[in-house]
Amino acid sequence: QQQVKQSPQSLIVQKGGIPIINCAYENTAFDYFPWYQQFPGKGPALLIAIRPDVSEKKEGRFTISFNKSAKQFSLHIMDSQPGDSATYFCAAAGGSNYKLTFGKGTLLTVNP
Amino acid sequence: NAGVTQTPKFQVLKTGQSMTLQCAQDMNHNSMYWYRQDPGMGLRLIYYSASEGTTDKGEVPDGYNVSRLKKQNFLLGLESAAPSQTSVYFCASSAPRGGAYEQYFGPGTRLTVT
Repeated sequence: QQQVKQSPQSLIVQKGGIPIINCAYENTAFDYFPWYQQFPGKGPALLIAIRPDVSEKKEGRFTISFNKSAKQFSLHIMDSQPGDSATYFCAAAGGSNYKLTFGKGTLLTVNP
Repeated sequence: NAGVTQTPKFQVLKTGQSMTLQCAQDMNHNSMYWYRQDPGMGLRLIYYSASEGTTDKGEVPDGYNVSRLKKQNFLLGLESAAPSQTSVYFCASSAPRGGAYEQYFGPGTRLTVT
C-alpha cells in the first residue's frame, strides 16, 4: 500500500519557469511533510518541511503549499535554475512514528 | 563534522556471498535508518534503530540483518546476496524526538550482485 503518492514522475521546464510537484497522502496521523532534494550520485538532503498547522511555507525560491482537507501538499520552485535539476522526494511522518514514508520521486530537468 | 558516512562506496558481490555495509554518524543522533533506492521505487526502509541496542524491521527487511551495538554505528548485513539486492543503499540518522523527522543521509553504497 503506497501511503504517499507523488506526481509527476518527471518534469521538464525552461529556466525561470515554476515547476510544481504534487503529493497526496492517506494516513491522517501524518503531521510532518518534508521535501528532499537529491543530485546524481549523492544522498537525499532535506530541502524544506511543513506541519499541518500552516497552509504555506517559503524558504528562498522553494514553497510548500499544504491542503489538509484534501490531504495533499505540493512543492513550487520559483524562478527555477538549471542547478535545480535533481530528483525531488516528498515524504510524510506522524504521531509516535518517526519513520518517513517517501513518495517515488520526481526527476526535474531545468533547461537553460 | 563528517555527518553520516558510509563504507564502501561501491561493491560487487557474487550470488551467495555475504557482506556488511557500514554506517557511522558523528551528530549524536539516537535514530538511524537503512534504505534502498531502486529506479522508480523511491526510498524504501529496510531496517531502523530508535536507539543504541534496538532495531526494528521496515518495509523490505527480507534478506538483511542489522546491528546497532554503538550509538554512532549502524551495520547492514547481507547473509547470502541475491541479484534482487542490487541497489543503492543509503544510511540516515535523525535527531531525538523533538526533531525526529529531520533525517540526514549518507552518500550511499552502490551494490551490484551478479
